[in-house]
Amino acid sequence: EDQVTQSPEALRLQEGESSSLNCSYTVSGLRGLFWYRQDPGKGPEFLFTLYSAGEEKEKERLKATLTKKESFLHITAPKPEDSATYLCAVQGRSGGSNYKLTFGKGTLLTVNP
Amino acid sequence: GAVVSQHPSRVICKSGTSVKIECRSLDFQATTMFWYRQFPKQSLMLMATSNEGSKATYEQGVEKDKFLINHASLTLSTLTVTSAHPEDSSFYICSARPSGGINSGNTIYFGEGSWLTVV
Repeated sequence: EDQVTQSPEALRLQEGESSSLNCSYTVSGLRGLFWYRQDPGKGPEFLFTLYSAGEEKEKERLKATLTKKESFLHITAPKPEDSATYLCAVQGRSGGSNYKLTFGKGTLLTVNP
Repeated sequence: GAVVSQHPSRVICKSGTSVKIECRSLDFQATTMFWYRQFPKQSLMLMATSNEGSKATYEQGVEKDKFLINHASLTLSTLTVTSAHPEDSSFYICSARPSGGINSGNTIYFGEGSWLTVV
């Protein structure tokens, strides 16, 4: 069974204070690791897909990295508008042809001005 | 690109009635769509996987007769909550995996979610 653990559960940062969110995973045959952002009362917004260890992707102040056991979402010089819940999910081959996702519980990020 | 739209965004229904939520992929075709339920401050719980033209696959513990899923076309899946009760009140979110086209791949895109309140 695929499993995803995210830490910390909650993180408070001052504007401009860089940090990282962690996503540890176990999966039977990784198809992809995904990061989403979710604002309160909204559906998850796609950020990144990572497919293999060593891969990195960047978008504005966010950078996602992947190893064989974990992924990090690095946030550089965050702004208050980066405040959201960040969800990590894996897609393993045990999902068969349906490509279903297994989610972690998320990290609630609050960036204070 | 890769936009998934849900309708309605909010719905209130009386206990015992049925309510339908639509999920549309606006700019891509999706052979596979997923339905999730999310309780306050919790992560997404997968309810079922729907494949166009075939029966949905339900996760353990999800009542298939209560949560009817129809994936009649490559751009539309519907979730019908039958004989709704107050405990069915929740945030329901659909997602879709593009099948073919520039957005094809493993990435799954989510709708905006639908708030259901049963009174």
